[in-house]
Amino acid sequence: GENVEQHPSTLSVQEGDSAVIKCTYSDSASNYFPWYKQELGKGPQLIIDIRSNVGEKKDQRIAVTLNKTAKHFSLHITETQPEDSAVYFCAARKAAGNKLTFGGGTRVLVKP
Amino acid sequence: DTGVSQDPRHKITKRGQNVTFRCDPISEHNRLYWYRQTLGQGPEFLTYFQNEAQLEKSRLLSDRFSAERPKGSFSTLEIQRTEQGDSAMYLCASSLAFTGTGKETQYFGPGTRLLVL
Repeated sequence: GENVEQHPSTLSVQEGDSAVIKCTYSDSASNYFPWYKQELGKGPQLIIDIRSNVGEKKDQRIAVTLNKTAKHFSLHITETQPEDSAVYFCAARKAAGNKLTFGGGTRVLVKP
Repeated sequence: DTGVSQDPRHKITKRGQNVTFRCDPISEHNRLYWYRQTLGQGPEFLTYFQNEAQLEKSRLLSDRFSAERPKGSFSTLEIQRTEQGDSAMYLCASSLAFTGTGKETQYFGPGTRLLVL
């Protein structure tokens, strides 16, 4: 089955700096890669996603890049703010599948 | 609030007891998923429904677990004879899937946190 690895497990950045989280996946049949943000006591919230027919997608301070050949994708957060502090999860889904396979999560702390 | 809702938000039970959780998806969403999340880990897929049909179950879903979605709207997840290893956050997600397009976004509820003593 699909396996998703996520690094780093924790990330501490100064407010205003950029944060980068990287994920690799094992199944070349995966074609959809969402990123979720989870705050304490809440369910994961979708922040951005990318499909395998594009290499990059941006939404304000958030961007995701995808390298299908290397089977890895990354989340970039620019100009970080304290409210960006949370746990971030990457996930992958196969073209013919439905379930999401999640990475282990990255705890991001933005220091004011 | 038109998001996914789950009830209860927290449940403490003794080992061996049965528990039932409810999930109300976003209106008109045809797919409903259950995931389990243990502390410090990402969510793991348990099962999903397309309307009222349960189409896939994970090997994580032992025979003590059962899920239903009787009318294609809300869903329940029951755990019988709970064990301490069942302690986790149980997350529900719903989506509006268009068959054959691959276009589907899953929206998660707040989860039910289960503690088995």
